[in-house]
Amino acid sequence: AQSVSQHNHHVILSEAASLELGCNYSYGGTVNLFWYVQYPGQHLQLLLKYFSGDPLVKGIKGFEAEFIKSKFSFNLRKPSVQWSDTAEYFCAVNPSGGSYIPTFGRGTSLIVHP
Amino acid sequence: DTAVSQTPKYLVTQMGNDKSIKCEQNLGHDTMYWYKQDSKKFLKIMFSYNNKELIINETVPNRFSPKSPDKAHLNLHINSLELGDSAVYFCASSRQEGPTGELFFGEGSRLTVL
Repeated sequence: AQSVSQHNHHVILSEAASLELGCNYSYGGTVNLFWYVQYPGQHLQLLLKYFSGDPLVKGIKGFEAEFIKSKFSFNLRKPSVQWSDTAEYFCAVNPSGGSYIPTFGRGTSLIVHP
Repeated sequence: DTAVSQTPKYLVTQMGNDKSIKCEQNLGHDTMYWYKQDSKKFLKIMFSYNNKELIINETVPNRFSPKSPDKAHLNLHINSLELGDSAVYFCASSRQEGPTGELFFGEGSRLTVL
């Protein structure tokens, strides 16, 4: 079965700082990769996704992530965070094809100080 | 129109009671899920269900049972509620064909067991 590790559980930044959240997964086959965001008191919504092609994917609100197959990683980045980026960020993995259940990492809590 | 809707949003009840949470999706998706989010924000898959099979996370107590009257609905029934069942329960859906795995979440149902 696949698993997902998010190494940063809590991140505190000031506005305009750069952000990188780590995500590593374990699965031997082809995967689909996702980052979801959960703003305070809200449901999860998709930030960006990778299925195939260019390993550098761009999402909403200036976020991007890079899939590095050799490292089994899909790190999330943003060059300059804003106070409104304060949220929980979840990395998720889904093996391509067949019956499967999307697996989530434990999440990273990001607090951005104005 | 809300794509994935859950009711109720808040549920407060006593230990030992039986309760249900309803979920409906209007996206025409084939697969629906229930996730439990604990106080530390960890998302744990409980069930995955489509018209072909029910996949149960074996760690979920059999007091929890999904019921799907049709492919647009997946309700969650919980018998003999315990204090540890207090959490936010998220329903989600995804499509089975094509690039898959992207989840569309409901707004969550916060269950408090007293």
